[in-house]
Amino acid sequence: NAGVTQTPKFQVLKTGQSMTLQCAQDMNHNSMYWYRQDPGMGLRLIYYSASEGTTDKGEVPNGYNVSRLNKREFSLRLESAAPSQTSVYFCASSDYDRGAGSTQYFGPGTRLTVL
Amino acid sequence: GNSVTQMEGPVTLSEEAFLTINCTYTATGYPSLFWYVQYPGEGLQLLLKATKADDKGSNKGFEATYRKETTSFHLEKGSVQVSDSAVYFCALTPRSGNTGKLIFGQGTTLQVKP
Repeated sequence: NAGVTQTPKFQVLKTGQSMTLQCAQDMNHNSMYWYRQDPGMGLRLIYYSASEGTTDKGEVPNGYNVSRLNKREFSLRLESAAPSQTSVYFCASSDYDRGAGSTQYFGPGTRLTVL
Repeated sequence: GNSVTQMEGPVTLSEEAFLTINCTYTATGYPSLFWYVQYPGEGLQLLLKATKADDKGSNKGFEATYRKETTSFHLEKGSVQVSDSAVYFCALTPRSGNTGKLIFGQGTTLQVKP
């Protein structure tokens, strides 16, 4: 049981290049999330998918796209990378329980640098 | 709107000292409240949670009590260890809606010195 896995762990891009961050979970969770973490700003939600086949914008979606490929996989794409997208990206998954709240399980992160 | 405010860090303590990290929130209704911890180079992991007023979450010697009257969820530990050095995030899930989105505070860095 690997939990939430992310690839790659590190990536360096030049401005204008594109790339896709991959995320997969093996806990049969319905919901998946992409966050970015920047110093002093906590985690900010980029996009989320409440269930297979649906995606919605979070707090900071500009410059990103997502695909919920199936129940296990949720990818994040940068079409034209900018230096402002230099950050650490985390994927998470959960099964939302309205009574118990949402315990999210996080992947190890992808550290992205855009030059 | 919904928001979480944490005390600013970094917090530096000596081993065996008492720890408090303050967290207050603004939310519609009665959210669920969480503390997550991030050890260096790792992703976040759940430390404890509380889902209704006056609930106390606890784990690994850490505790936090859901205080509706003060809209707070302060994290405490009686005797910290060097291994507790990490970044701590307070978060909430609004009760309304069905997406399970978490709203995080900015994080508080704790450094424990031997």
